[in-house]
Amino acid sequence: SAVISQKPSRDICQRGTSLTIQCQVDSQVTMMFWYRQQPGQSLTLIATANQGSEATYESGFVIDKFPISRPNLTFSTLTVSNMSPEDSSIYLCSTEGGKGAFYGYTFGSGTRLTVV
Amino acid sequence: GQQLNQSPQSMFIQEGEDVSMNCTSSSIFNTWLWYKQDPGEGPVLLIALYKAGELTSNGRLTAQFGITRKDSFLNISASIPSDVGIYFCAGQPFQGAQKLVFGQGTRLTINP
Repeated sequence: SAVISQKPSRDICQRGTSLTIQCQVDSQVTMMFWYRQQPGQSLTLIATANQGSEATYESGFVIDKFPISRPNLTFSTLTVSNMSPEDSSIYLCSTEGGKGAFYGYTFGSGTRLTVV
Repeated sequence: GQQLNQSPQSMFIQEGEDVSMNCTSSSIFNTWLWYKQDPGEGPVLLIALYKAGELTSNGRLTAQFGITRKDSFLNISASIPSDVGIYFCAGQPFQGAQKLVFGQGTRLTINP
């Protein structure tokens, strides 16, 4: 099953700045997904990233705010642009993968972002 | 869009007790997944269900995919301290859609 390395694990950023989050997968995968988890909340899909094409964004998320790169089949980045305190969340990347006998989706350990 | 209603939102139990939580939806799902999230970590897959009516176990965990394809439950037997965490159900809405919809989560607290 795919193993995802995500960094940074956490950051504290000034409002108005941008942060780029990286995810590296230990195997080639077709699709990668980016989620946001607001404090005490569930996970909400931001966008789906395929290699070689524009990311597909979910309702309420736009490319100017959350630009995504997918330069190859093992790597993706999400940028949180022009940050405000409302962007303080955990951001997680995901891809297809399994654990033991089950196949589903595997997640990175997340990036805990605090905007001050 | 599709939504998953997960209950209960939180549970406070004694060590050794059994736990049950469920997710329901007004929409049909093709796959149900159950995850556990520990503080500072991403969700970890516990059980995956692929067919309506399927009952699957993973150690002390048992989960079922409802026959109507609109619900699923997760049971944990004989809880232990390391079961503490937040449990999420997640569904894959329809064939070919590779994104997940998540429930609101169940926070499990265990009193020793």
